[in-house]
Amino acid sequence: GENVEQHPSTLSVQEGDSAVIKCTYSDSASNYFPWYKQELGKGPQLIIDIRSNVGEKKDQRIAVTLNKTAKHFSLHITETQPEDSAVYFCAASVGSNYQLIWGAGTKLIIKP
Amino acid sequence: GAVVSQHPSWVICKSGTSVKIECRSLDFQATTMFWYRQFPKQSLMLMATSNEGSKATYEQGVEKDKFLINHASLTLSTLTVTSAHPEDSSFYICSARRTGGSNEKLFFGSGTQLSVL
Repeated sequence: GENVEQHPSTLSVQEGDSAVIKCTYSDSASNYFPWYKQELGKGPQLIIDIRSNVGEKKDQRIAVTLNKTAKHFSLHITETQPEDSAVYFCAASVGSNYQLIWGAGTKLIIKP
Repeated sequence: GAVVSQHPSWVICKSGTSVKIECRSLDFQATTMFWYRQFPKQSLMLMATSNEGSKATYEQGVEKDKFLINHASLTLSTLTVTSAHPEDSSFYICSARRTGGSNEKLFFGSGTQLSVL
């Protein structure tokens, strides 16, 4: 079955710098890759997603890139701000059932 | 983004009692909803897939008689933890699938922290 690995587990960056979180997946049939932000005590919030027919997607300070050949996708956050501090999860799904396979999460710490 | 409302946000109950958690999609119809469980500092663990009008599909190791799921309408799914015990204490999160081609996405509720005494 599908397996998603996420790195790093913790990432600390200076406010204003960029942050990059990477995920790899095992099932080449995976076709949907969302990224979620989870703050303490809250449910995950969808921040950006990408489908397998696209290589890159950007939404203001957030971008996601997908390399289907290497089976990895990355989240890029530019000009980081204190409110970006949270746990970020990547996920992948195969087909149309949207049963997501989750990465282990990355705790992003933005240092003032 | 779309709104998924989950209630209650936290609940404390005595061992042996049952607790019901509601998950509503407020601005779209959701034929499919998912229920997750999350332990501190861990990722989300899928418990079951809830399809409107049919029985839920449970993941391996999840007791269907303990975690009752009802998806009676296109906007509401409920999870009932029956005869709760301290080991059932956890953060429970629902998600709803919004269909629509390239707009098809999963949106999550705010979660329910269950503490069983």
